This record gives sequence, structure tokens and C-alpha cells, in this order.
Amino acid sequence: GQSLEQPSEVTAVEGAIVQINCTYQTSGFYGLSWYQQHDGGAPTFLSYNALDGLEETGRFSSFLSRSDSYGYLLLQELQMKDSASYFCAVPPLSTDSWGKFQFGAGTQVVVTP
Amino acid sequence: GAVVSQHPSRVICKSGTSVKIECRSLDFQATTMFWYRQFPKQSLMLMATSNEGSKATYEQGVEKDKFLINHASLTLSTLTVTSAHPEDSSFYICSAREVAQVAQFFGPGTRLTVL
Repeated sequence: GQSLEQPSEVTAVEGAIVQINCTYQTSGFYGLSWYQQHDGGAPTFLSYNALDGLEETGRFSSFLSRSDSYGYLLLQELQMKDSASYFCAVPPLSTDSWGKFQFGAGTQVVVTP
Repeated sequence: GAVVSQHPSRVICKSGTSVKIECRSLDFQATTMFWYRQFPKQSLMLMATSNEGSKATYEQGVEKDKFLINHASLTLSTLTVTSAHPEDSSFYICSAREVAQVAQFFGPGTRLTVL
């Protein structure tokens, strides 16, 4: 099986930087994805790291270290609209069920003025 | 990204009735669709994997006779909650992916309330 751990909540002020860590335990590994979900809304895909290192997309960056079974999502220049839940997720081990992701419990990011 | 629609967005029904939820991929062909359930402040729980033209694969603990899934075409999957009970009240979300793509795209979700 696979398990993912991430903090339950993070609070920060506008303009700050937030790092959401995700540690995983898997018997095999393809990569780490991140999703954002606003209250009452559907999750939206943010990023996918298949290789070690940092992937930057605008204000959001995602990092992966396979050797440490660890990744993080970095939110920079926080805005009020960034208040949401953020989930890390791993894809399955077999490509014939690709998309059957397992999600972490989610991190609630609260941005304050 | 690709667009997935879900209908209805919100439904309230009486206990014992059945409710059908539709999930459509609007601008791509989805060979596989997934159905999730999410309770407040919790993560997404995969209920079943829906493959076009074949039977759905249900996760452990999910009753296939209660949650009927049909994937009749490459752009449409339906979830029918049969004989709904108040404990079935939840946020139901579908997602879809194209062949060999990493990302899955989620529908906007359906809020089901069973009275």
C-alpha cells in the first residue's frame, strides 16, 4: 500500500511564503502530484514531479526528493484567493490503472490580511 | 486544461429514492473516469474506476449494487445512488483522464443531501 502525510493546516499572511510538506511511503513510485481545492469546489491539478528537483509554475513551485521520499509545494506571494486545501497525491504502480491516485489528507491553507 | 462537467451540481432527495449523477468530458475522450466521495474537511475517497465499455471496478467497502456506474461512451459516465439514505449525503466528484496522460481533471462535484 501507499501512505502520504501532510500537515493539516497552515496559516500565513498575505504576501508571505508557505511550504506544504508531503512525505510518502510506497512500495514503488512514479511521481508526486499536487491539487488545490477551494471550499465546495472540485480539485484542480497544480503540478506533477516525476524527477527530483524543483518545478516552478508562476507563484507555485513543487519539489521532489525521491531519496528522501519527500516533496513539497511552495506558495509564494500569498494571496487571499490561495486559501484552500492542498492535496499531494501519488499515482498507482501500474500504468493500466493510471489516474487512480491516492490522495493525502490535505492541508488547509488559511491566508489572513 | 481539459474540461469535465458534472450534473446536477446539487440535489436534495428523500430517503429511499435513487439519484443519478452525470459526468462528461467536454473536449477530450476519457477512457477512464473515476468517482470519488468527499466528506467535509476530509480527503477524496475513491469509490470506483469506470472504464468505457466494461464493468466498473469498485474499491473495497463500496457496494456496487448501491452505487451503480455506467460508462456508456468515451465522454459520459453516470453514477446512480440507489435507495439513498441520509448517510449517503456527501460531495460526489468525478474525474477523467486521457490515455497516457498524467493529470486527471475533476468535475465540479455534486452535493447530495438525503433527507
